[in-house]
Amino acid sequence: QVQLQESGPGLVKPSQTLSLTCAVSGGSISSGDYYWSWIRQPPGKGLEWIGYIYYNGDTYYNPSLEGRITISVDTSKNQFSLRLNSVTAADTAVYFCARFDWVSGYFQYWGQGTLVTVSS
Amino acid sequence: ENVLTQSPGTLSLSPGERATLSCRASQSVSSSFLTWYQQKPGQAPRLVIYGASSRATGIPDRFSGSGSGTDFTLTISRLEPEDFAVYFCQQYGSSPMFSFGQGTKLEIK
Repeated sequence: QVQLQESGPGLVKPSQTLSLTCAVSGGSISSGDYYWSWIRQPPGKGLEWIGYIYYNGDTYYNPSLEGRITISVDTSKNQFSLRLNSVTAADTAVYFCARFDWVSGYFQYWGQGTLVTVSS
Repeated sequence: ENVLTQSPGTLSLSPGERATLSCRASQSVSSSFLTWYQQKPGQAPRLVIYGASSRATGIPDRFSGSGSGTDFTLTISRLEPEDFAVYFCQQYGSSPMFSFGQGTKLEIK
């Protein structure tokens, strides 16, 4: 059974950088069948896709956030990471990592989510 | 940008009733890549329907999906207490690659 687990600080100051890591177990991040994604959900609101990385390092970001995002992968540790620069209160959200099956077209496995609050 | 609009925002029904949830896209979506998720408080979304009409593993047959082009529907034929949750539709392929509807909250009447 594939499992994903987010980790990182729960509180970030405005203008600083949010950094999260997603550890993948029960399957290899080097499989070519999946996009490894970040998705966020502000409290009480809907889901926003942030971006994804392929095992070879190719990335695709949401244009609305491009310029502030970096997603990287570490295949040796079977994990991938998100960095979001210049955060504001609007970036306060539960951040999920998820595995997207690009052949079948869905997010099948999700992490439990981690709340990141942007506040001084 | 392909915007998904779900309706209604909130649906109040009783167990045993039929629920019909709508997802309308601003641009055509490939049926292969229209997905429905269920989310309960404090949990990650759970895959319910993929390819517009295929049930995910472990999803009971009271859940069904239909539609094509820009109009898609999730139907729950006879509501069980565990079905009350928020449901999101999601498309893959149109800018911004992935987008989600704003959600329909299915609540107990």
